[in-house]
Amino acid sequence: KNEVEQSPQNLTAQEGEFITINCSYSVGISALHWLQQHPGGGIVSLFMLSSGKKKHGRLIATINIQEKHSSLHITASHPRDSAVYICAVRRGGSNYKLTFGKGTLLTVNP
Amino acid sequence: KAGVTQTPRYLIKTRGQQVTLSCSPISGHRSVSWYQQTPGQGLQFLFEYFSETQRNKGNFPGRFSGRQFSNSRSEMNVSTLELGDSALYLCASGDGQPSTDTQYFGPGTRLTVL
Repeated sequence: KNEVEQSPQNLTAQEGEFITINCSYSVGISALHWLQQHPGGGIVSLFMLSSGKKKHGRLIATINIQEKHSSLHITASHPRDSAVYICAVRRGGSNYKLTFGKGTLLTVNP
Repeated sequence: KAGVTQTPRYLIKTRGQQVTLSCSPISGHRSVSWYQQTPGQGLQFLFEYFSETQRNKGNFPGRFSGRQFSNSRSEMNVSTLELGDSALYLCASGDGQPSTDTQYFGPGTRLTVL
């Protein structure tokens, strides 16, 4: 079993819909990252979380440390949100290694 | 500030050759991490350098190596290339503090091994 599991693998939505992508992990972590990768493009860091909730524009990320679970929400989705969203965790202590989920391919249709 | 830059952007090599990839971090960042991305395995951590020292290493064979210079620029070397090494290689820079670090990714080097 992978240390980081994302669901769903693929998600298709209509413009304006509320989107939720989930990430579960099985190890103790110091931080969790949400990343965005457009087709053929580089990777952009959206959020880094160690507790609670963060919001940036239409994006909201939450984490529940006890349940080892995080969610990424997109409100009022737009076709430009179409991308792969990747969850990654950094373990505690001095271990700097990032472990990644397989990603969620989001397609938002106009 | 200029972003993370990687050179070259594209590279074609044949099996058995070796290759060196370069990464220039954002000015002031002392940590550089390298990642391999393939369609089958997704993103995988290769190694991380901080102040010229390798601080963490992923589960890759010894053919994969790297180094960091005093100006924080980093190079990654792959020797005796195999077909399975074809991938997008990404580097990312950060402040190097695990609890607060945000990773800033470069555009990647697309390596094709024939």
